Amino acid sequence: ETGVTQSPTHLIKTRGQQVTLRCSSQSGHNTVSWYQQALGQGPQFIFQYYREEENGRGNFPPRFSGLQFPNYSSELNVNALELDDSALYLCASSTDRARGYTFGSGTRLTVV
Amino acid sequence: RKEVEQDPGPFNVPEGATVAFNCTYSNSASQSFFWYRQDCRKEPKLLMSVYSSGNEDGRFTAQLNRASQYISLLIRDSKLSDSATYLCVVTRTNAGKSTFGDGTTLTVKP
Repeated sequence: ETGVTQSPTHLIKTRGQQVTLRCSSQSGHNTVSWYQQALGQGPQFIFQYYREEENGRGNFPPRFSGLQFPNYSSELNVNALELDDSALYLCASSTDRARGYTFGSGTRLTVV
Repeated sequence: RKEVEQDPGPFNVPEGATVAFNCTYSNSASQSFFWYRQDCRKEPKLLMSVYSSGNEDGRFTAQLNRASQYISLLIRDSKLSDSATYLCVVTRTNAGKSTFGDGTTLTVKP
């Protein structure tokens, strides 16, 4: 059973709307990363937070933003949704940035 | 050119076969390397870390060649349950960035 929990599991939004996805990591996991995975592709790195600060970012526009909280939870916010934002969004956490990550089951976002 | 490239396959092999996957990466500043396994419509799960000295976990052996910038995964005595997509991951720890390949699909048949 995964120690990383994501909510909601599925979500349908309309183009132009805003969405917040949530992730609850295991205690002690001070590093969290968010990924976008389209069908047939590997996860694409959005950004990483370490001790509540963003310390790495992939090639995603500023309308993708995030937060990490002291209780090891985090959020991914996406503004001005576009149809191409439809994908599986994965949260992954770790105790050490150099170690592998534990992934949540993901949130499947559909933008219509 | 993608930062991490994998042969997408699919690899279709009989039970008991040995199969090898390769992955190349372009950024020489990469520091940590991993193989993940992803089953259909599930999240990726860490299979093993990859070191220059090579590491083995049961039927699985991973190897890193820094000079040539490639990573390999060898699966011996394939089982039906090994059928999945195998993802190569390259991490630049100081930049806080992990890059996944698009995965190699393996199907093991009876």
